[in-house]
Amino acid sequence: DAGVTQSPTHLIKTRGQHVTLRCSPISGHKSVSWYQQVLGQGPQFIFQYYEKEERGRGNFPDRFSARQFPNYSSELNVNALLLGDSALYLCASSPTTDTNSPLHFGNGTRLTVT
Amino acid sequence: QQQVKQSPQSLIVQKGGISIINCAYENTAFDYFPWYQQFPGKGPALLIAIRPDVSEKKEGRFTISFNKSAKQFSLHIMDSQPGDSATYFCAASWRGRGAQKLVFGQGTRLTINP
Repeated sequence: DAGVTQSPTHLIKTRGQHVTLRCSPISGHKSVSWYQQVLGQGPQFIFQYYEKEERGRGNFPDRFSARQFPNYSSELNVNALLLGDSALYLCASSPTTDTNSPLHFGNGTRLTVT
Repeated sequence: QQQVKQSPQSLIVQKGGISIINCAYENTAFDYFPWYQQFPGKGPALLIAIRPDVSEKKEGRFTISFNKSAKQFSLHIMDSQPGDSATYFCAASWRGRGAQKLVFGQGTRLTINP
């Protein structure tokens, strides 16, 4: 069975540009969450989507947005990139939004902002 | 407090020894506690998880011990092997405003010497 897939794997952008990251969840999983992992730290919650609706948002500015499509895949968009946005962006899927519903992570997109 | 404190930051253990990583939390709304293993260039992989109504859970060489009154939990890796060398994250899950949110510790870089 395919796990969570993310694209692209690596990306280099310039300050002020916009970026779109993509995620395909595990088949049958209806929830997609996005996390940001800065080098040397644990992942931080950005968004969770379930059945195409935003269920929650972490402490990130409005430059960050996301959406979920009818096939449950998802996009994360970041506008007006800052140097501090350089990080590994992780997508995770789960069957439901229950707290004990296991989150399965993809291998992430490494974003470098120069 | 939406924090999970993890220690130590790094740990070196001889092959065959026991690796112990500790975590502590404050928020009693947390109700699911997973541990993740992350290798360089990969996303976090779910290792083992526990609910707060259970004091211990064992899966193979991995054991979680949970102390609800002290708000502490720990991961024990028995008979540690060089292949266990990775970064380990404890996490705590809670349901905030309809979203399933994972709060991660800072991570422990584990090195198993052959």
